[in-house]
Amino acid sequence: AQKITQTQPGMFVQEKEAVTLDCTYDTSDPSYGLFWYKQPSSGEMIFLIYQGSYDQQNATEGRYSLNFQKARKSANLVISASQLGDSAMYFCAMREVPNAGGTSYGKLTFGQGTILTVHP
Amino acid sequence: DVKVTQSSRYLVKRTGEKVFLECVQDMDHENMFWYRQDPGLGLRLIYFSYDVKMKEKGDIPEGYSVSREKKERFSLILESASTNQTSMYLCASSLRTAYSNQPQHFGDGTRLSIL
Repeated sequence: AQKITQTQPGMFVQEKEAVTLDCTYDTSDPSYGLFWYKQPSSGEMIFLIYQGSYDQQNATEGRYSLNFQKARKSANLVISASQLGDSAMYFCAMREVPNAGGTSYGKLTFGQGTILTVHP
Repeated sequence: DVKVTQSSRYLVKRTGEKVFLECVQDMDHENMFWYRQDPGLGLRLIYFSYDVKMKEKGDIPEGYSVSREKKERFSLILESASTNQTSMYLCASSLRTAYSNQPQHFGDGTRLSIL
């Protein structure tokens, strides 16, 4: 069974500084995908960044980057130059990929989430 | 852009009522999902569907059922609402693919209160 753990219930960061949100995972599948989502107070879930288990390089999307350490089973989100609008709940999620010939239904397993507060 | 629309942002119902939550997506996605979100528990999968009239139980299906009569629409049904079903409900959709890089696209959520 898959499991995602986010150990930081809440994080605080000063505007313009960088912050790292932790995510560790556990799976027996050799192939999987890792996602980060942002959920503002309004409720919608916004897809931020994706990392594949076989990707050689860490994923980056603008101010977001993913510090992927496969041997340690961690996929931490790094937000550079924090902005007030980054204040939100952040979720790490994992999708398993079936073996060759299988069909993926795209199911995701989510962590508990981390609330990020950016101070001016 | 993918658009996933949930019929209500806020809903208040009474214990014992039959409650319908509707979700529509406009990107011809095969997969659709219903989650509930509770503080400290993250998102938990209730049911998902990978095709019209097809459905699979998720991690917490008890007390819920679903219906998918058309590809774009996925309904969550609370057969007899109870107070412990007060929660945020999120609908999502995604392409059916053998690749792991396709994200799920979410609606804005429905905050359901059962009194």
